[in-house]
Amino acid sequence: DAGITQSPRHKVTETGTPVTLRCHQTENHRYMYWYRQDPGHGLRLIHYSYGVKDTDKGEVSDGYSVSRSKTEDFLLTLESATSSQTSVYFCAISETAFNYGYTFGSGTRLTVV
Amino acid sequence: QQQVKQSPQSLIVQKGGISIINCAYENTAFDYFPWYQQFPGKGPALLIAIRPDVSEKKEGRFTISFNKSAKQFSLHIMDSQPGDSATYFCAASFTGKSTFGDGTTLTVKP
Repeated sequence: DAGITQSPRHKVTETGTPVTLRCHQTENHRYMYWYRQDPGHGLRLIHYSYGVKDTDKGEVSDGYSVSRSKTEDFLLTLESATSSQTSVYFCAISETAFNYGYTFGSGTRLTVV
Repeated sequence: QQQVKQSPQSLIVQKGGISIINCAYENTAFDYFPWYQQFPGKGPALLIAIRPDVSEKKEGRFTISFNKSAKQFSLHIMDSQPGDSATYFCAASFTGKSTFGDGTTLTVKP
């Protein structure tokens, strides 16, 4: 999607290893979000950021951490990957927190074996 | 507790027909209600959105109807086309954080 890229697009990792997913935006939007998408569960918020070094937890944050040292980059780290974290991860950006929809990236498909 | 309930889970409509997807929410603090469209292998894309002080919003063939007292809103796709076949998600937002429904897979048969 224009203005927001996620890397890698696909990753297979072993249980117990740390994994970092990257979201990069060129829109200079203040708000960034990480969601996971699983069949039958829609999209669930993991963590979000409302500015550089300002982050907060979402509804499914256990086992995940985030960092945002620059406006354009939002990193999601699985501290010790588990099979339950096999999912498709989407990053989203938003210009404001009010009356504004998200622009989503293309997603990272993560498989933990 | 699921805060946004979406139905049906799947929907099959003939070309030219009307597709209707419904959502219900719990939290009256939600103040923005977007709908997203997702094609396989892609991220969701914002389709149309509404604020709770408006009862209906129309953009082309897509209409949101909003019932604040019932805490329900719905997406209507008029003159449905095979290209509309996708998964649709409703969402409800507060302070920028969106809670999503589980999605509806729409298939439009030619």
